[in-house]
Amino acid sequence: EVKLLESGGGLVQPGGSLRLSCAASGFTFADFYMSWIRQSPGKAPEWLSFIRHRPNNYTTEYTPSVKGRFTISRDDTQNVLYLQMNTLRAEDTAIYYCAKHEFGYAFAHWGQGTLVTVSS
Amino acid sequence: DIHMTQNPVSLSAFIGDKVTITCRASQDISRYLGWYQQKQGQSPRFLMYYTSILLSGVPSRFSGSGSGTEYSLTITGIQPEDAATYFCQQCYSYPFTFGSGTKLEIK
Repeated sequence: EVKLLESGGGLVQPGGSLRLSCAASGFTFADFYMSWIRQSPGKAPEWLSFIRHRPNNYTTEYTPSVKGRFTISRDDTQNVLYLQMNTLRAEDTAIYYCAKHEFGYAFAHWGQGTLVTVSS
Repeated sequence: DIHMTQNPVSLSAFIGDKVTITCRASQDISRYLGWYQQKQGQSPRFLMYYTSILLSGVPSRFSGSGSGTEYSLTITGIQPEDAATYFCQQCYSYPFTFGSGTKLEIK
């Protein structure tokens, strides 16, 4: 069974930083592209970033609103996906999910999410 | 960016009814569209990809259709467990974008 478990969320002041982790199990993590997605209460999910696998050189893509502030990375030896978030703003407040890609760029499996609150 | 316009925002249906949710893309997405179901307090669940291919375990009362910029999700024979918010998502190009969601209420 695919399991994705996010951690690292919490309360942070505007301008601060946070690193999220996503522990993966139940599948060969190294074989799949992975993404981070966030969702504010009552809103649609917003895709943030994805990272390709080793055969594609771990290359990354970002949505414009986080490019230059957020960095996605992965550790295939530990089966963990990361999201380093810098210069956080109030509008970054959301539940952050990691997701496993299948069937092209669809998000086939989601974690339970971790809440990030940016507030003074 | 490709903008996804989803309608209706909400709808209400009786058990056994047939409902249709539509999604319009701002440009041709060549059937690279997925659908997700999100129940209150839960993560989204992936239902369908490439417009009409159901994931294993998804009931056959769910179906999808469309092409170009116009797509739809149909539920034929609504069940109580179908109460949820449904989102479409274009998988054609990044940034990958979602529709704003349709909340389905069961009367």
